[in-house]
Amino acid sequence: DTAVSQTPKYLVTQMGNDKSIKCEQNLGHDTMYWYKQDSKKFLKIMFSYNNKELIINETVPNRFSPKSPDKAHLNLHINSLELGDSAVYFCASSRRGMGGRTTDTQYFGPGTRLTVL
Amino acid sequence: AQKITQTQPGMFVQEKEAVTLDCTYDTSDPSYGLFWYKQPSSGEMIFLIYQGSYDQQNATEGRYSLNFQKARKSANLVISASQLGDSAMYFCAMREALDSNYQLIWGAGTKLIIKP
Repeated sequence: DTAVSQTPKYLVTQMGNDKSIKCEQNLGHDTMYWYKQDSKKFLKIMFSYNNKELIINETVPNRFSPKSPDKAHLNLHINSLELGDSAVYFCASSRRGMGGRTTDTQYFGPGTRLTVL
Repeated sequence: AQKITQTQPGMFVQEKEAVTLDCTYDTSDPSYGLFWYKQPSSGEMIFLIYQGSYDQQNATEGRYSLNFQKARKSANLVISASQLGDSAMYFCAMREALDSNYQLIWGAGTKLIIKP
């Protein structure tokens, strides 16, 4: 059984397009995250939701908009894609974010490799 | 200042040898957790091992162990009897209890290549 799933795995699109990446977790976790991993493999937190409420919103262009319809899903919508958006995007989840313990491990989805042409 | 430092951008190790991947951290929070993740070439991020700041024993998970030296603020990952499948990027990360958002702070990673 897949714990954290993302679709699509690969996304190739033209500059200026709008695209979405979907994430679902079946672990019963309260908190979900979006990360961006650049070409140098550096991981940067973008957003975090706890029980559908936004708790982390790092300095990310407002072309990126997360949406959490319920605590098992966190989707990422990107408007007006730019070349610099090309990266791997990871969704992750953990049992508790705010108020949680330091032991709460984040479990990652397989990643979505976004290529903007 | 860097909160998580992984000083080895890349390492080559002979198969079956033990490997130590370095990680040093910087925090003034007495309560924190340290994590190691593996990212093989296929791209997924795999959780390996966790060490809490108050844990008395070093964490172990199969061939993975964590050499936790609190006074030195280091949390090195040790892989015993390395295998070809251990070739991957390895990331060290920390969570501080005083961070109300409980973010993970990530190191830059170490690329490990196991030679046959």
